[in-house]
Amino acid sequence: QVQLVESGGGLVKPGGSLRLSCAASDFSFSDYYMSWIRQAPGKGLEWVAYISSSGGGSTIFYADSVKGRFTISRDNAKSSLYLQMHSLRAEDTAVYYCARGYGNLPFEYWGQGTLVTVSS
Amino acid sequence: QSVLTQPPSVSGAPGQRVTISCTGSSSNIGAAYDVHWYQQLPGTAPKVVVYNNNNRPSGVPDRFSGSNSGTSASLAITGLQAEDEADYYCQSYDSSLKGYVFGTGTRVTVL
Repeated sequence: QVQLVESGGGLVKPGGSLRLSCAASDFSFSDYYMSWIRQAPGKGLEWVAYISSSGGGSTIFYADSVKGRFTISRDNAKSSLYLQMHSLRAEDTAVYYCARGYGNLPFEYWGQGTLVTVSS
Repeated sequence: QSVLTQPPSVSGAPGQRVTISCTGSSSNIGAAYDVHWYQQLPGTAPKVVVYNNNNRPSGVPDRFSGSNSGTSASLAITGLQAEDEADYYCQSYDSSLKGYVFGTGTRVTVL
């Protein structure tokens, strides 16, 4: 059974940094593109970033709202996905999900999410 | 901000049919990028109920169906049941934004 488990969320002050991790299991992680998707409290879903299957020379894209502040990366040897977040703002407060999916395929598998709260 | 627009809420009595619209543009649904639909129960991650416009994953009842026309898509739920009460989101890809886009979300209430 495919599993995605996020960690690293917490309370951070505006302007601060945080690194989220997503541990994948029970599928060939290196074969799949991965994304981060977030959901602010009581709000809808927002795609954040995706990264292609290979480590080096990956295809990476970001939503305009996080471009220049967030960095997505992966370690295929550890079956792990990461999201480094800098210059955090109150509007970045959300549950962050990692999800597997690419191109015309849906986000078929999601983690349980990790809550990031940006507040002084 | 979402580029796919959905009605905030729809409701129906048990057994009735409800539809949820998802209005996009020429850079997403209108550009023939596939539409997927997700169901989200409170406190849980979204789950696919329709993918690639009109396909159902195994285990999803055939009461759920999807369709597309031009720059819009729709999700229909026939024979509405209490367990269908949830938030629903459409999702596609946008060539102008070079990223994935979600709808604004629709809460389905079973009366």
